[in-house]
Amino acid sequence: AQSVTQLGSHVSVSEGALVLLRCNYSSSVPPYLFWYVQYPNQGLQLLLKYTTGATLVKGINGFEAEFKKSETSFHLTKPSAHMSDAAEYFCAVSDDITNFGNEKLTFGTGTRLTIIP
Amino acid sequence: KAGVTQTPRYLIKTRGQQVTLSCSPISGHRSVSWYQQTPGQGLQFLFEYFSETQRNKGNFPGRFSGRQFSNSRSEMNVSTLELGDSALYLCASSLGGRAIPYSTDTQYFGPGTRLTVL
Repeated sequence: AQSVTQLGSHVSVSEGALVLLRCNYSSSVPPYLFWYVQYPNQGLQLLLKYTTGATLVKGINGFEAEFKKSETSFHLTKPSAHMSDAAEYFCAVSDDITNFGNEKLTFGTGTRLTIIP
Repeated sequence: KAGVTQTPRYLIKTRGQQVTLSCSPISGHRSVSWYQQTPGQGLQFLFEYFSETQRNKGNFPGRFSGRQFSNSRSEMNVSTLELGDSALYLCASSLGGRAIPYSTDTQYFGPGTRLTVL
């Protein structure tokens, strides 16, 4: 069974500082990995995803993540935080690809990112 | 292109009642997935429909059910509501077809329906 662990339910960074949100996964097969962002009272928006190929994945809004198989990690980073980055971030994994499925995602518990002016 | 829409956005029910939530996917998307989001359990997969058939199912009791219509719109129903069913219910759509390479398909989420059970 697959699972996702997000270290740190709350992360605070100063505006302009590096953002680092941690995600570790467990999967019995090569996983597909995702980062989603959720703004207050809204649904989830895909930031980026890793399926195959290049392990450094660039997403929207300046975010990127690196798939490290040896560490079973998929940490999300952004070089310089902006006030608009304040939101909740979810890491997700899917290994249910045999059933045509990117549709069954297992999510982490989320990390709430606060930006300090 | 319109996004995923969910109705209603907010709902208040009492224990024992039943509720039906609706999801309209992005035009051309044939897969619709449902998730429950609660502070305690986080985001949990409920089920997924493709071409009117349930393809995937999460670990929820039989009180939770769904269906999909020929136009890909989906509904989920919760019968005999319990206090613990209070949650944000999110719907997501994707192309989902066999011919779509997994790596190029993406789920797009709606804004959710917030259900409060009193």
